[in-house]
Amino acid sequence: EVQLVESGGGLVQPGGSLRLSCAASGFTFTTYWMSWVRQAPGKGLEWVANIKEDGSDTYYGDSVKGRFTISRDNAKNSLYLQMNSLRAEDTAVYYCAALGHSSVWFLDYWGQGTLVTVSS
Amino acid sequence: DIQMTQSPSSLSASVGDRVTITCRASQSITNCLSWYQQQPGKAPKVLISAASRLQSGVPSRFSGSGSGTDFTLTISSLQPEDFATYYCQHSLGSPWTFGQGTKVEIK
Repeated sequence: EVQLVESGGGLVQPGGSLRLSCAASGFTFTTYWMSWVRQAPGKGLEWVANIKEDGSDTYYGDSVKGRFTISRDNAKNSLYLQMNSLRAEDTAVYYCAALGHSSVWFLDYWGQGTLVTVSS
Repeated sequence: DIQMTQSPSSLSASVGDRVTITCRASQSITNCLSWYQQQPGKAPKVLISAASRLQSGVPSRFSGSGSGTDFTLTISSLQPEDFATYYCQHSLGSPWTFGQGTKVEIK
């Protein structure tokens, strides 16, 4: 069974930093592109970042570029999101997801999410 | 950036109804379009990829169509478990964007 389990969320002050983790199991992590997607309270979904299987390529949404860094440790089957210079508008549930590909890319497997609250 | 616009933002329907949700891209995305269902308090689940490819395990009452800029998600006979919020999302280059969502409620 595929499992993605996020952790590391919590309350952080504006301007602070936080590192999210996502532990993967039940599939061959090293062969999957991975993503982070977030959802502000009561709002829609927002794509945050993608990372290639070997970590050599990364892509970011405009609102987080230069502040967030996606990375992975294939030896630990883990995905990370380092979030710096956090703002109130970064408050959201953060989901990690494994990408599928059927001629086009899509978000196939999802974790249950971890809540990040940016507030003083 | 490519903008995705869904309509309607919400709808009320009854069990057994046929429901259609539309998604329009601000420029052509060929077939790089997926649909997701999100139940309250849960993670999204992919229903359809490549505009019309039904994902494994998804009931056949769900179907997707379209290409270029205009896409539709159709539920042929709405079931109680289908009351949820639906999102379209493009994957034609970065940044990926989602539609604002369509909430399907019980009439």
